[in-house]
Amino acid sequence: NAGVTQTPKFRVLKTGQSMTLLCAQDMNHEYMYWYRQDPGMGLRLIHYSVGEGTTAKGEVPDGYNVSRLKKQNFLLGLESAAPSQTSVYFCASRRNRGLLEQYFGPGTRLTVT
Amino acid sequence: QQQVKQSPQSLIVQKGGISIINCAYENTAFDYFPWYQQFPGKGPALLIAIRPDVSEKKEGRFTISFNKSAKQFSLHIMDSQPGDSATYFCAASLYYGGSQGNLIFGKGTKLSVKP
Repeated sequence: NAGVTQTPKFRVLKTGQSMTLLCAQDMNHEYMYWYRQDPGMGLRLIHYSVGEGTTAKGEVPDGYNVSRLKKQNFLLGLESAAPSQTSVYFCASRRNRGLLEQYFGPGTRLTVT
Repeated sequence: QQQVKQSPQSLIVQKGGISIINCAYENTAFDYFPWYQQFPGKGPALLIAIRPDVSEKKEGRFTISFNKSAKQFSLHIMDSQPGDSATYFCAASLYYGGSQGNLIFGKGTKLSVKP
């Protein structure tokens, strides 16, 4: 099992450009999450999904959109990137019952210039 | 009400010493308290977790102490090793909260264990 994978690993964008980050999991998990990690700020939840076709806003959703068309994939989109979106983005997934352990991907380091 | 406050921000410990990281929460409904460990360039991974029906949980050199009345919990790393050098995050959530079981993370503690 690959667990949670993220594509790409690194990306540099210019202000105003758009991009999509892809998260894939092969554990048949119902819940999926997108976080951003900034120095001294911990992990902040951007959006999450409790199942295929459903999404919900987290703590810092502005400037991001998400889609969950397939159970195993969760996409994070930036329509018009801003320097404030420079961050490391992590995807995570978990089961919908029992243990609440979240399994994290390796992260995507995004720089917006 | 949703915050989890973590301290210290950074910690330097000598090899063999005890590392202690503290967290405090506000929402008395929280009933699941995990600690995540993150090595540089990697995603966080669950280290150990506790529920409030016990005051302490130990797994190897790692122990969570929980004080429900004070709304505080802490991570103790005994006999700290250089390989323990990482960033540690505490978190809290509702165990049976469904979509409300989203984790609220502290801001992290960067631990350095000197040889």
